[in-house]
Formats: sequence, C-alpha cells, structure tokens
Amino acid sequence: GAVVSQHPSWVICKSGTSVKIECRSLDFQATTMFWYRQFPKQSLMLMATSNEGSKATYEQGVEKDKFLINHASLTLSTLTVTSAHPEDSSFYICSGSSGGAGSDTQYFGPGTRLTVL
Amino acid sequence: GDSVTQMEGPVTLSEEAFLTINCTYTATGYPSLFWYVQYPGEGLQLLLKATKADDKGSNKGFEATYRKETTSFHLEKGSVQVSDSAVYFCALNSGYSTLTFGKGTMLLVSP
Repeated sequence: GAVVSQHPSWVICKSGTSVKIECRSLDFQATTMFWYRQFPKQSLMLMATSNEGSKATYEQGVEKDKFLINHASLTLSTLTVTSAHPEDSSFYICSGSSGGAGSDTQYFGPGTRLTVL
Repeated sequence: GDSVTQMEGPVTLSEEAFLTINCTYTATGYPSLFWYVQYPGEGLQLLLKATKADDKGSNKGFEATYRKETTSFHLEKGSVQVSDSAVYFCALNSGYSTLTFGKGTMLLVSP
C-alpha cells in the first residue's frame, strides 16, 4: 500500500516553455502533498507543502510564481514549472501524507527528471 | 531548529559484511524517526520507522533503534547484499508534518 506515482518520469523541454508534473496517490488519500527538488548527489530540498483545496505553502527562497502547485483533490497534485530555464533542470520528487493515523509518514513518488535545454 | 546528521559516505563493503550507518538528530519534543532508501534514478522508499524511544524499526533485514538518551537512530544490517547498494537517508518528523532529512549516505556493496 501507500503508492505514489509521478508523471512523466522524465521530460526534456526548451527554455521558456512550461512543464507540468503530476503526482498521484494511488491507494490512499493524500491530505497533504509535498514537493521536493534534488540536485545530483545531494539531499532533498523541500520546495512547498500543499493541503487539498488550499494554497500551497512555499519554503523560503522558492518562487511561487515560477513553481505553481495545485492540489485540487485528495489524490492529485501538480507542479508546473513556468518559463523553465536550464537552472531549473533537476530531479523533482513528490510525496503524500494521509493526515490520519501514521500521518507523520510520507510516501514518495519515483521522481521526475526535468532537463531544460 | 531540527537537524539530522549522518555519517558521510560512500560506505564501501563486501557482500555479507556488517553494515552500520550512523544517524544522530536534534529536535524539539519527541520526533518520529525514519530511514528512507533511494536506488539510482528513483524516488525514496520508506525502509523503516520508529515513533517513540526504545522502539526498533525493522524491514528487509535492516534495523534501527530509537535511542533518546543518545539522540541516535543508527541503521544496521547483519549481512549486506549487492542489491542493497543505494543512498540511505535518515529523517525526522517533529509533528509539524514536514520531514527533516540528513544529507544521505551512499552504500556500495561489491561481490
């Protein structure tokens, strides 16, 4: 149980275009979803936290107008990288938490590798 | 604030060797503690967790005991396999839903 999927698993785009990444909880309702960014050989950096039906809370230094997060349902959150540039190239990972018993546990998706040319 | 410190890697072992990856933490209150594993090119998988002092989390031969007195949560396995090669992350949750991660420790197991 507690499976999270992401789509796409990898994407290559041209500079200036926008890219949308989907994160789905397949067998549980994710009251809270998290978006992380990971640089090569580094730990995860939390970008934002979103609760279903509410605006996302962004970490300091993360541009909310550039990284648009939508959490419209208990099983789906999306991250849109707007006007992507090469420095946005990274591995983006989402996770979900049920908010109920055991809600301190996050279940992670497989990640999406974004390459901006 | 909360923080997690892991031993730096890579940790290089031969198959069937004993593994220890050290993890210590600083946190307010009584956090839950986690070990996650990341295989190359993949996301993180929950390996084990412990929610209170003296709890032992275990999974797939890996174990870690929540030691409040030493604020530690060291990961151990008695006999590693080549397939255990991955990056291991120690993490804590102080009850505010967000996870605080260590920097990760790469484990390389050779045949």
